[in-house]
Amino acid sequence: DTAVSQTPKYLVTQMGNDKSIKCEQNLGHDTMYWYKQDSKKFLKIMFSYNNKELIINETVPNRFSPKSPDKAHLNLHINSLELGDSAVYFCASSQNFDYEQYFGPGTRLTVT
Amino acid sequence: EDKVVQSPLSLVVHEGDTVTLNCSYEVTNFRSLLWYKQEKKAPTFLFMLTSSGIEKKSGRLSSILDKKELFSILNITATQTGDSAVYLCAGSSNTGKLIFGQGTTLQVKP
Repeated sequence: DTAVSQTPKYLVTQMGNDKSIKCEQNLGHDTMYWYKQDSKKFLKIMFSYNNKELIINETVPNRFSPKSPDKAHLNLHINSLELGDSAVYFCASSQNFDYEQYFGPGTRLTVT
Repeated sequence: EDKVVQSPLSLVVHEGDTVTLNCSYEVTNFRSLLWYKQEKKAPTFLFMLTSSGIEKKSGRLSSILDKKELFSILNITATQTGDSAVYLCAGSSNTGKLIFGQGTTLQVKP
């Protein structure tokens, strides 16, 4: 009964490729988020969606594009991958803005 | 610019010790302060604090927020080896944006 799930857990790819990471939550939450955790373990928000509407769009290269087909899913598509994109990407969800966020297991992306 | 600063960055204690982790924040349109525990994978939620001076407790863990001094602490009493983890503090804005600190790495030795 995973609350927030992500696929894949590991992703190894070459520079220049395009890849997607999928996220699903079965908590009935309205708000979903993407975070990036770099090699120094610093977690930084990238995007958030509330009921399929983009709310937060931080200073992220436009090679990163989130897509929310419905409020239970928030996918992250990355074009033209670069070495610096290597990180762990976490999806999270919350009931709405004022509630705690629950994190998925993370996707470790390695760009070679 | 929004920022959250945690101290100490790392801490080594022995089982049974009590530890206090610190978190200071400057977050525009601040709504709440959250604590998470991160072991090998995803951060797991510990506490969310919205009001000053009201302690939240869960077992051996407790936390309190001071909105005047823009500060929070997380206390862990009678530490166990299973408490070893990175503890993350985050300030939340009115859009739900979490601004995380750099984390405190706690190691509890037997």
